[in-house]
Amino acid sequence: ETGVTQTPRHLVMGMTNKKSLKCEQHLGHNAMYWYKQSAKKPLELMFVYNFKEQTENNSVPSRFSPECPNSSHLFLHLHTLQPEDSALYLCASSLGVSGGSGELFFGEGSRLTVL
Amino acid sequence: AQSVTQLDSQVPVFEEAPVELRCNYSSSVSVYLFWYVQYPNQGLQLLLKYLSGSTLVESINGFEAEFNKSQTSFHLRKPSVHISDTAEYFCAVTNTGNQFYFGTGTSLTVIP
Repeated sequence: ETGVTQTPRHLVMGMTNKKSLKCEQHLGHNAMYWYKQSAKKPLELMFVYNFKEQTENNSVPSRFSPECPNSSHLFLHLHTLQPEDSALYLCASSLGVSGGSGELFFGEGSRLTVL
Repeated sequence: AQSVTQLDSQVPVFEEAPVELRCNYSSSVSVYLFWYVQYPNQGLQLLLKYLSGSTLVESINGFEAEFNKSQTSFHLRKPSVHISDTAEYFCAVTNTGNQFYFGTGTSLTVIP
């Protein structure tokens, strides 16, 4: 398997549920990202990890909790979300800071609906 | 910090007609520029990128973009579009290879 894989592709959850999104990359990249994509808005960068260390937290509410156990895996733990958190969550990877201008490789996204 | 502006949110065009999708960026430092395409229910895929060298870059499916430093633009063009080009197109910029800034996207609809 190659590229960036995200699971689940679709998730429906209530505001009191706890769920997790998973991302896995098989590209040997050092950086991984979570983006939020809402209609008619620019992609919102949420978190960046370089070599498993979080290097960017873009003022994301604490109800979103990222976890990066190694350079190939990234999780987004979800807890007590709000309906406005419904969106497409995209994971991406890149060579990272050490790779200079390497582009982002995206997964197909996890469509989240919060009821 | 950088920012990206895509002025056209929707662009309808007839099949086999030319198209230009506009992208302007703001940055005080040298940047790398990208165009991504997103088909329905999929993630973003890289279409083409400008890193250095020739200011005109091309993709394998007939798109091209020209980096214009004086106008801080990176417009995407195709001389003859196909139905299969219907998608959302995003312009992006980075100067570090770590922080990427995206525009709001342009929805291209090719009309038969």
